[in-house]
Amino acid sequence: GAVVSQHPSWVICKSGTSVKIECRSLDFQATTMFWYRQFPKQSLMLMATSNEGSKATYEQGVEKDKFLINHASLTLSTLTVTSAHPEDSSFYICSARKYTQYFGPGTRLTVL
Amino acid sequence: AQTVTQSQPEMSVQEAETVTLSCTYDTSESDYYLFWYKQPPSRQMILVIRQEAYKQQNATENRFSVNFQKAAKSFSLKISDSQLGDAAMYFCAYRKGGFGAGGTSYGKLTFGQGTILTVHP
Repeated sequence: GAVVSQHPSWVICKSGTSVKIECRSLDFQATTMFWYRQFPKQSLMLMATSNEGSKATYEQGVEKDKFLINHASLTLSTLTVTSAHPEDSSFYICSARKYTQYFGPGTRLTVL
Repeated sequence: AQTVTQSQPEMSVQEAETVTLSCTYDTSESDYYLFWYKQPPSRQMILVIRQEAYKQQNATENRFSVNFQKAAKSFSLKISDSQLGDAAMYFCAYRKGGFGAGGTSYGKLTFGQGTILTVHP
């Protein structure tokens, strides 16, 4: 089956620092990856679509300069939360598209 | 814009019984896909079942089946012989069909609000 990994699974950082989250498709190439944010007991909110070799497409209301996305290869996309603040604390999920979307296990970010 | 609505924030079922989760959607597209995803306490999203809009036959995966009513834009999930492991949050999702160039936001999913399913032993 198609496996997507995320690293780290959880991270705690201080306010004002930057955090990078990696999303990898382990056994397939993904030209498109997606980044979601999820609050407890709520739905997934699409933040951006990441395309290999081109700029990410951000959803309305998502700050491009705060959430930097880089799709460096067909198996790796990264999300960097810059100058993180407590309100950025959330669960971040990536997915990679191969006919359908396969989801990573998520990353819990806590900003102190 | 496409919207997906799940009107049941929470549902409960007795083990071995049957439960149906509701989902409605709104779209002007004729080619699309519908999905049910399960998110257990681990928070790993798991694909439960998928339905192509052009197929009249309802999709079935073991104990999981859907009732796809295209004209009514309804897509409910039936879980038969419920098991304790079925306890999770369930999301209905929509994706536009076609084979785009892969750029921009092609292939993105629109999710419903989710339904928390509790299974009682």
